[in-house]
Amino acid sequence: NAGVTQTPKFQVLKTGQSMTLQCAQDMNHEYMSWYRQDPGMGLRLIHYSVGAGITDQGEVPNGYNVSRSTTEDFPLRLLSAAPSQTSVYFCATGGRPNYGYTFGSGTRLTVV
Amino acid sequence: GQQLNQSPQSMFIQEGEDVSMNCTSSSIFNTWLWYKQEPGEGPVLLIALYKAGELTSNGRLTAQFGITRKDSFLNISASIPSDVGIYFCAGRNYGGSQGNLIFGKGTKLSVKP
Repeated sequence: NAGVTQTPKFQVLKTGQSMTLQCAQDMNHEYMSWYRQDPGMGLRLIHYSVGAGITDQGEVPNGYNVSRSTTEDFPLRLLSAAPSQTSVYFCATGGRPNYGYTFGSGTRLTVV
Repeated sequence: GQQLNQSPQSMFIQEGEDVSMNCTSSSIFNTWLWYKQEPGEGPVLLIALYKAGELTSNGRLTAQFGITRKDSFLNISASIPSDVGIYFCAGRNYGGSQGNLIFGKGTKLSVKP
């Protein structure tokens, strides 16, 4: 009954390092997405997927890669971390276009 | 791109007071949603609205989908300390990118006991 699980919860990276933020859902939802949340900026869409094998860019995709090989998992990759990517990252899933999203509890990333 | 203007940015109220916040858009939305986020957690869905003019309640919370489809408001009656958090509106337009949600910047609510 986990819903949406994000790991890790906290991460500190050095500039130039790479890492993958994990997102797993057990709700059998087709739609998954990644948002970043910055103070005063609300939630901004990075990438999304409407099903396994299908991904697309959101509002702020630069510096991030995604893939969707299974319905359950939607990892977000930072290839070369930059201080501007310091943020809180949320993964969200949705069952149908009409449904509201279910969010994970977030990953707080700091790039130094 | 589409933007949502959410106001006020923050509110400081006394316990027991009523709260009202709203969202406006320059574009038409087919769905309006209201979320609450508590510290260290992801947003949680409070109310979903699917029809222009729709008025929906969830306990002490009431939200309405504006007739023009360009706005929505959320009211909280008789606030209590656990209402503290950031409230986000979100809109969806099926003519947009696969129906992705667009979020307002949030209203931070503080309640003084």
